[in-house]
Amino acid sequence: AQSVTQPDIHITVSEGASLELRCNYSYGATPYLFWYVQSPGQGLQLLLKYFSGDTLVQGIKGFEAEFKRSQSSFNLRKPSVHWSDAAEYFCAVAYKAAGNKLTFGGGTRVLVKP
Amino acid sequence: SQTIHQWPATLVQPVGSPLSLECTVEGTSNPNLYWYRQAAGRGLQLLFYSVGIGQISSEVPQNLSASRPQDRQFILSSKKLLLSDSGFYLCAWSVGISSGNTIYFGEGSWLTVV
Repeated sequence: AQSVTQPDIHITVSEGASLELRCNYSYGATPYLFWYVQSPGQGLQLLLKYFSGDTLVQGIKGFEAEFKRSQSSFNLRKPSVHWSDAAEYFCAVAYKAAGNKLTFGGGTRVLVKP
Repeated sequence: SQTIHQWPATLVQPVGSPLSLECTVEGTSNPNLYWYRQAAGRGLQLLFYSVGIGQISSEVPQNLSASRPQDRQFILSSKKLLLSDSGFYLCAWSVGISSGNTIYFGEGSWLTVV
């Protein structure tokens, strides 16, 4: 069965510092990969997605993610964090062979220090 | 453009009472529709998905049911709520099964069972 692991439950970062959130997936086939962000009490907003092609994907709000097949990873990065980036971030994976249903990781909560 | 509406936004219900959460999508036809639950401190769990009117797939055994009476309407129900049904419920939609399937979420409904 497909699964997604986000090893870091919480990350605290200073405003202006760089941020990297880890995501690893399991399963043999090539996945469709997503990152979503959730502000407190709100729904999820899509940051970026990878389907095929260039393994470095640019998203909204200055985020990017890199698909590394050899490491089964899809880590999310931002060079300089803003206070408004404090939120919970979810990595998700889907497989065409599994009906393209999304499986989510457990999430990483990002706290931004002034 | 497509929009998704979900209501009510918050709900406090006693144990044993019924539940009805509604979701509608506008600006698209024949969407795939989903209900997810996010329990406190946990990730997202897919409860139901639907690829068409009257077609409902359940992902986990539970106290809830779903219905799709119209193409763009998805309803989550329960006849008798349990304390464990408390959580944040998210409706979502997507189009396209054969290719990458990007899922877009509503704003969510907070359910507290007391």
